[in-house]
Amino acid sequence: QSVLTQPPSVSAAPGQKVTISCSGSSSNIGNNYVSWYQQLPGTAPKLLIYDNNKRPSGTPDRFSTSKSGTSATLGITGLQTGDEAEYYCGTWDSSLRVVVFGGGTKLTVL
Amino acid sequence: EVQLVESGGGVVRPGGSLRLSCAASGFTFDVYGMSWVRQAPGEGLEWVSGISENGVSTGYADSVKGRITISRDNAKNSLYLQMNSLRAEDTALYYCARGGGLKTMDVWGRGTTVTVSS
Repeated sequence: QSVLTQPPSVSAAPGQKVTISCSGSSSNIGNNYVSWYQQLPGTAPKLLIYDNNKRPSGTPDRFSTSKSGTSATLGITGLQTGDEAEYYCGTWDSSLRVVVFGGGTKLTVL
Repeated sequence: EVQLVESGGGVVRPGGSLRLSCAASGFTFDVYGMSWVRQAPGEGLEWVSGISENGVSTGYADSVKGRITISRDNAKNSLYLQMNSLRAEDTALYYCARGGGLKTMDVWGRGTTVTVSS
């Protein structure tokens, strides 16, 4: 059981938009920066978004995020087959004093 | 090129020990905290441990506390994970990552596989 809650899967057609939610609490998302990671099949996780809404160089602006209270959302527009991956949210939990992740969301581009 | 390369994984019997290493290159190692993150087969990511830039502060997941020790050698640009009293549930791909704690993990290695089996 992950501390952060994500939907197990989402799907959409190429070119469409999809959102992935990440729900936590005041000890994690509510008071700390959220990061998002993309894990393509058979590869290591890769940083997609950091500090709630900053994109590292290399992350297309098709990827965006929002955060409200104890929840965060990743949005992907103009879906491509290459976006098929597992997506994880992560942050620091100030009460547990550990890094916590969501269980991951598998994105399928139909 | 910024790079992290893990090594030291393998097959070990329950109760056994293993020491993982992570060689860092392409950046100033001693100004970054570092972490180990694992992924059991078919499962999600689990942060295992983190260490501060100077090695003074460390943190552990409850699932490994008392059995695993994280350390670093800044002179060798290396991160380590000493794993003792290994259990079947420690079987996973272990990633070394730059950052952790309050800082995002922005660089990841390819991982090293640990299998605990009799």
